[in-house]
Amino acid sequence: QPQLQESGPGLVKPSETLSLTCTVSGGSISSDSHYWGWIRQRPGKGLEWIGNIYYSGSTYYSPSLKSRVTISVDPSKNQFSLKLSSVTAADTAVYYCASLSMTVVAFDYWGQGTLVTVSS
Amino acid sequence: QSVLTQPPSASGTPGQRVTISCSGSSSNIGSNTVNWYQQLPGTAPKLLIYSNNYRPTGVPDRFSGSKSGTSASLAISGLQSGDEADYYCAAWDDGLNGQVFGGGTKLTVL
Repeated sequence: QPQLQESGPGLVKPSETLSLTCTVSGGSISSDSHYWGWIRQRPGKGLEWIGNIYYSGSTYYSPSLKSRVTISVDPSKNQFSLKLSSVTAADTAVYYCASLSMTVVAFDYWGQGTLVTVSS
Repeated sequence: QSVLTQPPSASGTPGQRVTISCSGSSSNIGSNTVNWYQQLPGTAPKLLIYSNNYRPTGVPDRFSGSKSGTSASLAISGLQSGDEADYYCAAWDDGLNGQVFGGGTKLTVL
């Protein structure tokens, strides 16, 4: 089963761009049975889907974040990445990467999550 | 405001059976399968139920799911203290063309 690990800065200044990377091990990101996704959880709040990417580069984004989000994939490194621009304090959250099984359309494996705080 | 509606809290005593509801619409639950995730305190969510009523390997059969129309339910029987967690329902939404989650239900074992 794949293991996922998020990495990136834990502190981002307002108006700057949040950048995170998810490294997949124990499985290939070029799998034709999975998309790869980002989900976030604001402090004390529920889960919010950000977007998904296929190894070919095909993407789906949350309509509410679409104007600020870019998700990319690097099959050579078995990684995919998230960029969220023009961040504010409202983007402070734990960010999770996860694999989305296309067979059952469910996030079957998750990273441990990484807290990103937006503050000057 | 979440697209899928769940009660914010639920509770039960050890050994009891509890159910958690999830209400949606024709564009999500009404036309797609429902998944449930369990988030234990301080940990990442874990897939608990997929495709309405299937359990991933390792999930006890005390957990079961069902779906009818635009609503779904998660049932937990033989409640244990270790079941204290937040539970989230989720489904694909054809209108939004994306994944939607419920607001989560915090389960307390009294």
